[in-house]
Amino acid sequence: DAGVTQSPTHLIKTRGQHVTLRCSPISGHKSVSWYQQVLGQGPQFIFQYYEKEERGRGNFPDRFSARQFPNYSSELNVNALLLGDSALYLCASSKGGFETQYFGPGTRLLVL
Amino acid sequence: QQPVQSPQAVILREGEDAVINCSSSKALYSVHWYRQKHGEAPVFLMILLKGGEQKGHEKISASFNEKKQQSSLYLTASQLSYSGTYFCGFPRGGSNYKLTFGKGTLLTVNP
Repeated sequence: DAGVTQSPTHLIKTRGQHVTLRCSPISGHKSVSWYQQVLGQGPQFIFQYYEKEERGRGNFPDRFSARQFPNYSSELNVNALLLGDSALYLCASSKGGFETQYFGPGTRLLVL
Repeated sequence: QQPVQSPQAVILREGEDAVINCSSSKALYSVHWYRQKHGEAPVFLMILLKGGEQKGHEKISASFNEKKQQSSLYLTASQLSYSGTYFCGFPRGGSNYKLTFGKGTLLTVNP
């Protein structure tokens, strides 16, 4: 079975630009969570979506938004990029959101 | 309030044992353990639930002490493949899906 997939794998943007990251969960999983991981730290929770509804949000500014589509894939959008947004963005899927979360390979974002 | 992990780093020779600790200042009802190799995604190892039994994965096992609000990961007879950063995660914010992770413990296993 295919695992969680994310695209793109790497991305370079400049300050003030907008970025969209994509995630496809494991087949049969209805929940997608987004995490930000900066170097030397553990993943930090951004959002969770379940059945296309936002179930939870972490302590991130409104520049961060996400959505989930009918096929359970998800997009994370970040507006007005800052240098501090440079990080590895991880997507994790789970069956219903309350069980084990399986991470994708991540998108490495560099903001210059 | 993120979990506190110790030690921050540990270096082993192949075949040696190690213990990684994870503690919380608040009551816990589950602990999630992941391993992340450099440049890769975190890989799920195990989840321990309140009132549950000690879990195991290969020669890696873990315990969960609810009263002390801490969990320990035990790596026995370590293999080269065990190298990586180990993270513990706790559910936060009244939910059991919003995982808050510690800063990680870097484990290096040398031949």
